[in-house]
Amino acid sequence: EVQLVESGGGLVQPGRSLRLSCAASGFIFDDYAMHWVRQAPGKGLEWVSSINWDSGSIGYAASVKGRFTISRDNAKDSLYLQMNFLRPEDTALYYCAKADNWNYAASTTVNWGQGTLVTVSS
Amino acid sequence: EIVLTQSPGTLSLSPGERATLSCRASQSVTSDYLAWYQQKPGQAPRLLIYGASSRATGIPDRFSGSGSGTDFTLTISRLEPEDFAVYYCHQCGSSQITFGQGTRLEIK
Repeated sequence: EVQLVESGGGLVQPGRSLRLSCAASGFIFDDYAMHWVRQAPGKGLEWVSSINWDSGSIGYAASVKGRFTISRDNAKDSLYLQMNFLRPEDTALYYCAKADNWNYAASTTVNWGQGTLVTVSS
Repeated sequence: EIVLTQSPGTLSLSPGERATLSCRASQSVTSDYLAWYQQKPGQAPRLLIYGASSRATGIPDRFSGSGSGTDFTLTISRLEPEDFAVYYCHQCGSSQITFGQGTRLEIK
């Protein structure tokens, strides 16, 4: 069974940094592309970033480009999101999600974690 | 960036009725990478339809997807009480992945 467990969320002041992690199990992690998707309270789903199986191709939403960095460690079956210069509008539940193949730009998002909450406030 | 616009924003129907949800793209989407998700309060999204028209594992056959190019539809043939939720369309066929803004399906 695919399991995706996010961690690292919390309350942080504007302008500070936070690093999210996603521990994957139940599948061969380095065969698949991975995503971060967020959902602000009471709002819809927003794509944040994606990474191919080998980190060879990475994409970011315009709203986070230059501030957030996605990475993965295939040896540890883990996905990360380094978030710098956080803003109040980054407040959201952050989901880790798994694609159905190695290429995030030609895939279906199949499995989701339960999310980790990031709150940016002074 | 491909913008996905869902309509209506809210759909009020009764159990047993048929629901038709629309997703329109600002430019052509490869059908292979158009999906629909259901989300209930406090839960992660659940994949319903992938490839525009294929049901995901375990999804009842009252759910069906159709469409191509820029117009896609999710149909729920006979609403069950557990179907009242928010539905999102989603495309992963370009380097900029996008979601529709969602359609809330509520009990009339």
